[in-house]
Amino acid sequence: DAKTTQPNSMESNEEEPVHLPCNHSTISGTDYIHWYRQLPSQGPEYVIHGLTSNVNNRMASLAIAEDRKSSTLILHRATLRDAAVYYCILYNAGNNRKLIWGLGTSLAVNP
Amino acid sequence: DTGVSQDPRHKITKRGQNVTFRCDPISEHNRLYWYRQTLGQGPEFLTYFQNEAQLEKSRLLSDRFSAERPKGSFSTLEIQRTEQGDSAMYLCASSWTGGSNSPLHFGNGTRLTVT
Repeated sequence: DAKTTQPNSMESNEEEPVHLPCNHSTISGTDYIHWYRQLPSQGPEYVIHGLTSNVNNRMASLAIAEDRKSSTLILHRATLRDAAVYYCILYNAGNNRKLIWGLGTSLAVNP
Repeated sequence: DTGVSQDPRHKITKRGQNVTFRCDPISEHNRLYWYRQTLGQGPEFLTYFQNEAQLEKSRLLSDRFSAERPKGSFSTLEIQRTEQGDSAMYLCASSWTGGSNSPLHFGNGTRLTVT
C-alpha cells in the first residue's frame, strides 16, 4: 500500500492562508489523493480529493504536483474552527479499498 | 442528510465482558467500514462490507472481534472477552461505489474504555 508523509504539526494565524504539504512518492497512476480532517472527539471529515488536476471546493483547494509525487492542501483563510488533524491519503477504490492512514498534520490556528 | 450514526457514543466495561457497537450508515451507501483509533494515531482499518458481504478483514483483528451487516443496512461490531488493550475509539464509515473513489463519511465513533 502506498504511503504518504506529512509534517507532524503546523501553525497558522487566523485569516491567513495555510499550505499543508504531503509527499506520496510511491503513488500509482490510479491512486486518488484524498484529504480528511479530524476535530477533537469527532470522526474524520472529508475535505477534498483529486487525481491529476488541481481541485477547488467550498472548504479548500488541492494543488497536485505535475509528477503527482506531492500535493498541497490550501486553506485560503484559516479560522479557529480549522484547527484539526489533517490526513492525506491515497485511495483507489479498486485496489486499495481500506485507506491507510498515517499520523496526519496537527494544525494550530492562532487568534 | 442524516449522516452516519454510531451508538453508543461512550462505553465503559470491565475486562472480560462482551460489548457490541452499532453503526447506521447513510442509507444509499453500499460500503461500510470499521476503523479503530487510539490517542495520537490515525484510524486503523479493521474490516469492511460491500452490501452484506464482509470482503476484507484486517490481519490485526483477533478472533474476539466479529462484525456483521445483515441485509446490507446497519452493522454491528462485537468484542468478546474485552481486554484493556481494546480501549480505543471505534469509527464507522460508509461510502457509495457508484462513482469511482467516492469519499468516506464517518460517524463520530464509539469510545470504549476497558477497566
